[in-house]
Order: sequence, then C-alpha cells, then structure tokens
Amino acid sequence: AQRVTQPEKLLSVFKGAPVELKCNYSYSGSPELFWYVQYSRQRLQLLLRHISRESIKGFTADLNKGETSFHLKKPFAQEEDSAMYYCALHSGGYQKVTFGTGTKLQVIP
Amino acid sequence: KAGVTQTPRYLIKTRGQQVTLSCSPISGHRSVSWYQQTPGQGLQFLFEYFSETQRNKGNFPGRFSGRQFSNSRSEMNVSTLELGDSALYLCASSLEGFEDEQYFGPGTRLTVT
Repeated sequence: AQRVTQPEKLLSVFKGAPVELKCNYSYSGSPELFWYVQYSRQRLQLLLRHISRESIKGFTADLNKGETSFHLKKPFAQEEDSAMYYCALHSGGYQKVTFGTGTKLQVIP
Repeated sequence: KAGVTQTPRYLIKTRGQQVTLSCSPISGHRSVSWYQQTPGQGLQFLFEYFSETQRNKGNFPGRFSGRQFSNSRSEMNVSTLELGDSALYLCASSLEGFEDEQYFGPGTRLTVT
C-alpha cells in the first residue's frame, strides 16, 4: 500500500527564514510526487511536481528515492507563503493518488 | 477559461438519506476525480472517471458511487448517509489523468445530521 507522511501539522517560521516542509512516502515502485497548496479561502492548487524539476514561487522539491522523501524547500519565507501544503503521490498509470495530511505553514512577520 | 464548478456548495442531509453532488470540469478536460476531505482523515481519494468510465477507485464502501457523462460532467452519489460522511467533497479535473495538472473545484460541504 502506498502512504504519504507529513510529520508536521504546523510549521511556524519568521519572514526571511528558510522553510522546509517534510514529506516521506512509502511505495515500492516509481512514484510521481506532487506538492499542492491551499491559500486561505482559495482552492487547492498544484504547486510543483517532481518530474518538472522547476522552482515555483521560490519553492523547490527534490525526490530522494534513497530516503523516500520529497521535502519542499524555500530559502527565504514570505508572508504570502502562509498556507496549507499537501504532498501527494501518484503511483503511475491508472492508479490512485494518495495525499498526506497536510502541513500548515505560518510565516510570522 | 472557466474553472471547475461544483453544485451545490452546501448541503444538509439526514442519516439514511442519499445525496448527489455534481461537478463540471474545465472545458476539454476528460478526467474527473473526487475526494473527501475531513479534519481527521485529510484528503482521501474516492474515484476517478475518464471518458465515462471509472478508471480508479479508492478505499470507500459501495455506498459511494459516481458516473461521468459524455460531456465529462460528473456526479457523485452517496446512499444511506452516515454521520461520518459529513465532509467537504472536492472534485478535480485534468486533461487526461493524474499525470496532468489537476484543477480543483471549490467543494461541496455536506453535513449529515
């Protein structure tokens, strides 16, 4: 069975400090991993996916198959980064997608 | 282009009743997925439809069912409602499936009393 673990329910950082939102997964095959974000009163939206290897809004995430992790990082947090972040795993092909329980990022001014 | 729409936005039902929720995807999107979001369980995948066929299913009882029409609009039905079915139900559409970016709707808030 596939599983996604986000160990922190809440992460508080000061503006300008580095951010790392943790995501660990359990899956025996080659996963596709995503980060979704939900800003206050907005819809859930895709932030980035590992296959595109791009930086969105200053965020990056690297898939580490050895540690089965896909942590989301940003060097300098901004107040507008405050939101709920979900890590998600798609097991490829016509398979289901599994979401982590989410981490609320609070950036303190 | 217009985003994903869901109707109704809020719903209150009584235990034992059934409910039907509707989702209209972005034009041109053929995949529609449904999710249940609760404070305790988070976001859980219900099922995915593509070209009017259920292609994927999560771990939910048979009381949860859905369908997709030829215009890609989708409906989700829950029969014999239980208190634990109270949740925010989200649908998302994408071009072909999970490998494409999913666009989420605003959700339908279902309360079962």
